[in-house]
Amino acid sequence: AQKITQTQPGMFVQEKEAVTLDCTYDTSDPSYGLFWYKQPSSGEMIFLIYQGSYDQQNATEGRYSLNFQKARKSANLVISASQLGDSAMYFCAMRESSTGNQFYFGTGTSLTVIP
Amino acid sequence: DSGVTQTPKHLITATGQRVTLRCSPRSGDLSVYWYQQSLDQGLQFLIQYYNGEERAKGNILERFSAQQFPDLHSELNLSSLELGDSALYFCASSALAGGPSDTQYFGPGTRLTVL
Repeated sequence: AQKITQTQPGMFVQEKEAVTLDCTYDTSDPSYGLFWYKQPSSGEMIFLIYQGSYDQQNATEGRYSLNFQKARKSANLVISASQLGDSAMYFCAMRESSTGNQFYFGTGTSLTVIP
Repeated sequence: DSGVTQTPKHLITATGQRVTLRCSPRSGDLSVYWYQQSLDQGLQFLIQYYNGEERAKGNILERFSAQQFPDLHSELNLSSLELGDSALYFCASSALAGGPSDTQYFGPGTRLTVL
């Protein structure tokens, strides 16, 4: 089974609108971390946000927030007030306590912000 | 800027050749990871070093090898290159050996083209 599933290969959003990128994960480990990365067309992978499995509140970093629904095993990234510079690939990733060295990545979602 | 540096940025070489990719981790980080990103295979974990020792191995070919030096920089050696080795090679670093909260920060990548 896939550890990380991103079902939206491509998404479009109007500039200044909010957008949600979906991510579901599969683990039986009670201790795990969830990460989102952005990869613009220039190629670099930029760390955006982290959520720990024991964190009581949803993580936020500026315009990025993580909608963490533990029971549903989902960790959706919400980008508020989209900007043209948000156009990029977005990857969800997970790290488990039991397999601490392994970083599981999803296949990514391509986001295009329309002016 | 993640603080992880990689050289060179671009590399063009011929089949059968050998190349070395170099990575310097963020200041204070002890782990270095190598990833290969190609269009058809997504982001593939190759290998992890922690404080000079190999810590985890992923889908690394026998033609590829890596090491981490006492100053914590790392090199990835690719030999007997094939056309299919053309990809973006990322180095990432993290503070710890692993664990659910151990965030990886990525370098800008080395784009390898094998002709």
